[in-house]
Amino acid sequence: AQRVTQPEKLLSVFKGAPVELKCNYSYSGSPELFWYVQYSRQRLQLLLRHISRESIKGFTADLNKGETSFHLKKPFAQEEDSAMYYCALRRTGFQKLVFGTGTRLLVSP
Amino acid sequence: EPEVTQTPSHQVTQMGQEVILRCVPISNHLYFYWYRQILGQKVEFLVSFYNNEISEKSEIFDDQFSVERPDGSNFTLKIRSTKLEDSAMYFCASSARTGDGDQYFGPGTRLLVL
Repeated sequence: AQRVTQPEKLLSVFKGAPVELKCNYSYSGSPELFWYVQYSRQRLQLLLRHISRESIKGFTADLNKGETSFHLKKPFAQEEDSAMYYCALRRTGFQKLVFGTGTRLLVSP
Repeated sequence: EPEVTQTPSHQVTQMGQEVILRCVPISNHLYFYWYRQILGQKVEFLVSFYNNEISEKSEIFDDQFSVERPDGSNFTLKIRSTKLEDSAMYFCASSARTGDGDQYFGPGTRLLVL
């Protein structure tokens, strides 16, 4: 079975500080990993997918198969980054997304 | 930008009643999904639907649940004989042509079973 673990329920940082939201997964095959973001009173939105190796809103995430991790990073947090962040996994060729419990990021001025 | 829409935004029902949650996926998408999130818990997959058939479902999606695409635009989740533990936020999502495309989520329907 697949599992996604986000160990921090809440991460509180000051504006301009670096941010790392942790995500670990367990899956014996080759997964697809995603980060979704949910801003206050808005819908879940796709932020990053590991296969694209892109940077969105200054966020990056690298898949580390050795450590089975897909941590989300941003060098300088902004107040508008405050949101709920969910890591999700999908088995290649399947549709079901398996989500972590989410981390609330709070960026204070 | 096209979005997935869901109605109603909130629904309160009595235990044992049937509810139908409605979703309008993005118009050119062919894969449709339902997820739910019980308060304080993780978002959980319920079912995926393609070509008028269920393509994948979780163990949560038992005989109490059914999905339907009654016309060219709506995608519905029916919960028969609701239970207290069905209280949750229900999210609809859709994805484009291929089954491994990005899933776009609706705003959710908050269901409260009393």
